[in-house]
Amino acid sequence: DVKVTQSSRYLVKRTGEKVFLECVQDMDHENMFWYRQDPGLGLRLIYFSYDVKMKEKGDIPEGYSVSREKKERFSLILESASTNQTSMYLCASSHRDRQETQYFGPGTRLLVL
Amino acid sequence: AQKVTQAQTEISVVEKEDVTLDCVYETRDTTYYLFWYKQPPSGELVFLIRRNSFDEQNEISGRYSWNFQKSTSSFNFTITASQVVDSAVYFCALSEDFGNEKLTFGTGTRLTIIP
Repeated sequence: DVKVTQSSRYLVKRTGEKVFLECVQDMDHENMFWYRQDPGLGLRLIYFSYDVKMKEKGDIPEGYSVSREKKERFSLILESASTNQTSMYLCASSHRDRQETQYFGPGTRLLVL
Repeated sequence: AQKVTQAQTEISVVEKEDVTLDCVYETRDTTYYLFWYKQPPSGELVFLIRRNSFDEQNEISGRYSWNFQKSTSSFNFTITASQVVDSAVYFCALSEDFGNEKLTFGTGTRLTIIP
């Protein structure tokens, strides 16, 4: 059974804090993705990674960075959290083939105060 | 650039009614893939279907069916005899660019099935 896990379901942080969101997949997928989901905007891609230590900017990378030191783990980092980064964050993974399905984690709902 | 439009923001139907969720896409590629995902209240996106641009055959899976029409750039999703468990947000998505697995999502349609 495919499995993508995210470190927290709910997170509350203060403005200016450094925030780490962790994502782990157990399917040996090459690709991993971070999205944020906001009402009326759907899912928007923040960053993605095709392989270990590789990363590519998505559509809205500003204010975020990522780290992929191991194949199974992809971290999203908010260097200095701001209130406009309050959102639902979804991680996904897939095999390296554009027709492959992306499998999603349960999401992390982040509130920045 | 690619774009996916789900014009229906929210739909409510009474249980056992049929309902169709619309999806219209834009792409310059001749080869692309279309997806539907379901997001129940628990939050996790669940994959429903993938269709490539060369296969315009309609697909049926139980109470679910999909109508892909390249002529109108649409990939609509119909639920027959809806059930309360079908209540969720449904997303249509597009993948294009050879070797690039990025998905472009629509804004989603919130479907509520009224018992």
